[in-house]
Amino acid sequence: GNSVTQMEGPVTLSEEAFLTINCTYTATGYPSLFWYVQYPGEGLQLLLKATKADDKGSNKGFEATYRKETTSFHLEKGSVQVSDSAVYFCALSDHKAGAQKLVFGQGTRLTINP
Amino acid sequence: GAGVSQSPSNKVTEKGKDVELRCDPISGHTALYWYRQSLGQGLEFLIYFQGNSAPDKSGLPSDRFSAERTGGSVSTLTIQRTQQEDSAVYLCASSSLAGTETQYFGPGTRLLVL
Repeated sequence: GNSVTQMEGPVTLSEEAFLTINCTYTATGYPSLFWYVQYPGEGLQLLLKATKADDKGSNKGFEATYRKETTSFHLEKGSVQVSDSAVYFCALSDHKAGAQKLVFGQGTRLTINP
Repeated sequence: GAGVSQSPSNKVTEKGKDVELRCDPISGHTALYWYRQSLGQGLEFLIYFQGNSAPDKSGLPSDRFSAERTGGSVSTLTIQRTQQEDSAVYLCASSSLAGTETQYFGPGTRLLVL
């Protein structure tokens, strides 16, 4: 079945450091790929998405490129801030019966120190 | 409403009792999803509604779990004869149309079974 594997955390960085959180997937067909973020005490929010190979999703300085050849969707940010501290989830859409069932990775907890 | 709302925000129950969790999707959203977030299993899909029908119930872990949606709006997830392993955060999401549309998540209901 479809699955997502992402970099295990926790990850701790200093402010302004470069961030990469790795995500790879296994899927039949051509899923859409997502990064969701969960800030402390808040619900899941969509951070960015890409719907086809070579698409780049971007938002709030974060980027991820849909790489079909390596089945990856790594999340990057050039200079992190304390406010980026959160749990990040990589996910793919599993289309079945017209639904967009999301399959999530296990989550990566990111802490940014000032 | 402005976003997806869920109630209660927290629920503590005794093993063997039944619980009902409620989700109010964003007004006009036809697709509604339930997920579960637990320490051992991460984020898992439970069930999907399109309108009032549930074409995908594949994630429900046992026949103690059921869900319904009335009037194409509010949904209730019922867990009968709760067990300690049911302790988790139950998340609801809605989207305007099943397919590639973004899912918007509620804040979740944190369930603790003693």
